[in-house]
Amino acid sequence: AQSVTQLDSQVPVFEEAPVELRCNYSSSVSVYLFWYVQYPNQGLQLLLKYLSGSTLVKGINGFEAEFNKSQTSFHLRKPSVHISDTAEYFCAVSERYNQGGKLIFGQGTELSVKP
Amino acid sequence: DAGVIQSPRHEVTEMGQEVTLRCKPISGHDYLFWYRQTMMRGLELLIYFNNNVPIDDSGMPEDRFSAKMPNASFSTLKIQPSEPRDSAVYFCASSLLRREGNTIYFGEGSWLTVV
Repeated sequence: AQSVTQLDSQVPVFEEAPVELRCNYSSSVSVYLFWYVQYPNQGLQLLLKYLSGSTLVKGINGFEAEFNKSQTSFHLRKPSVHISDTAEYFCAVSERYNQGGKLIFGQGTELSVKP
Repeated sequence: DAGVIQSPRHEVTEMGQEVTLRCKPISGHDYLFWYRQTMMRGLELLIYFNNNVPIDDSGMPEDRFSAKMPNASFSTLKIQPSEPRDSAVYFCASSLLRREGNTIYFGEGSWLTVV
């Protein structure tokens, strides 16, 4: 079984500042890792994903995440945030070889960007 | 290529009424998932199908909930009778096994309010 822990439920930050949203996972099998974003009153949009290869993955809207196998982490970063990045961000894992990509989600981190 | 299509987008119903949520997955995808999102419990998997067959329904809260997938292009989630605690956003999602790391694509969600 897998589990995901997002270490911060809320992250307030000023516009143009850097931000890091932290995610740790636990799994007894090999996994894929994902970050999804949910804007207010909207659905879930894939931000980026780690499947294999380079541990630094780049996604949409200037976000990137780094997979750290030894620390079982997949933290999301952006060097300079905009007001429009205000949203809820979800880290998720799925088993690599089974279950068709069934996702286990963390509890979410609410990013609030202030002017 | 059309994404996952859900209907209705919003529904307000009275306690005790039957609610039916509908989903059309991405054409060619062989996995379909139903998720529920609430403030208290976050994103939780209710049930998922592979090739129209239910694989795991352990997340279905109780017998009032049922899901069907009569063919590869249509699924329903039914609540009968509905209760106020069923108020949530219900997401349908689909994936293709071993394609893009089993990436799951979500619909826009059905916002359900039971009064």
